[in-house]
This record gives sequence, structure tokens and C-alpha cells, in this order.
Amino acid sequence: DSGVTQTPKHLITATGQRVTLRCSPRSGDLSVYWYQQSLDQGLQFLIQYYNGEERAKGNILERFSAQQFPDLHSELNLSSLELGDSALYFCASSVARSGNTIYFGEGSWLTVV
Amino acid sequence: AQSVTQPDIHITVSEGASLELRCNYSYGATPYLFWYVQSPGQGLQLLLKYFSGDTLVQGIKGFEAEFKRSQSSFNLRKPSVHWSDAAEYFCAVSPLNAGNMLTFGGGTRLMVKP
Repeated sequence: DSGVTQTPKHLITATGQRVTLRCSPRSGDLSVYWYQQSLDQGLQFLIQYYNGEERAKGNILERFSAQQFPDLHSELNLSSLELGDSALYFCASSVARSGNTIYFGEGSWLTVV
Repeated sequence: AQSVTQPDIHITVSEGASLELRCNYSYGATPYLFWYVQSPGQGLQLLLKYFSGDTLVQGIKGFEAEFKRSQSSFNLRKPSVHWSDAAEYFCAVSPLNAGNMLTFGGGTRLMVKP
């Protein structure tokens, strides 16, 4: 158990809908990351937050957004969902902004039908 | 742009045999290097990491990896594979002092024959 908690574990929704994925980082970790794992794109970095502020952005679509709250948990919002958004979404956390080991949660499986 | 290549998409080994999974990276400077394992339906578990120092690093579950700067490689090894090692293995790099954004290789799926 990495200590990173993600909910829900599985989610099935229809195209055009909006979903929110939630992540609680390991105790004491200030950085939260979101990654997407899909069959065609592999594992891709989406976005990083550090202590409530956006730190880095990767291949995140404009339909997707994230935030980190004062209690350090994070949410990834996915809107206007398309079939191609079906993927495993990982949250990860680390102590600091850089130079640290990143620990991953078990992921949230999103299926768009 | 940095990239990570895992040349072997699938590898099958017999239980008890040795294992080497290859990883090559392309980056301007030596990055931080990681190996993660993903069992079916599971998250990513960190096996080992290289930040600096001794180029042979030991990890969990009996795995080790060797960093070779001249070859831009960070190959993962295990002397004797167990059936429970069947999983997908990912090599990843992260830039020095520029955030923890991991760039992953495409993964190598390991199958273990009894």
C-alpha cells in the first residue's frame, strides 16, 4: 500500500458527461500528480500541484482540469467525455516539488460508453 | 525532449531463470531513473531508483538495476525469477531539479513459465 488513496476505483459513464476523480496523497506529501494510462498513449503525465498551486502541466486536454485543496487532496475533473478518454487515471504524490520519489495510487478506471 | 525506450514489449522466462529488462533514455543530462512494476489490475509500485552515487542499485523483491552513463541505459535485473514476478515493468526518468514529471517507457510485459 503506497498510502495514496484514489476514488472511485471504477467508473462507467456516457459520452458527453462529466466526472470527478479524487485523490488523497500520502501523509506529509505536498505534491500531487495526475497521470493517464491508455492502451494507445501509454503512461502520460497530465498535471502537478504543489501545496495548492499548479506546478507543471503535461499533456492535459482543455476539457480536463484539476485542483489541489487546502487539505492537500486533489480532484481531476473530466468533462465532455469522449470514448477515447477511457483509461486508467493515476494519482501520485511526493514530499516536495522535485528530486523526490513519486508514489502512485491504484488508479481510477474510467470507461466511457 | 526526453524519451525512454524499452525495446522489449514482451519477455517470457522460465521460473528460476535470470532476467534482464532493458531501458534506454534520451536526455541532455543524467536524469533521475526509476523502475516501477504494475501487476494486473494494480497500481504502480516503485522497485528501485537511481539519483546519484553507486551505479548499481538494489531494490525490493530481489531486483537490481545498473546505470551506465556511456550507454544511457538503466537495465533491470533479477538472478532468479519467481512466478509472482509476472507483471508489466516500466522504466521512467525525471529531470534533475525541474520537477518530478516522470516520462515513462512503453513497458515490458513479463511472463513466467512454470
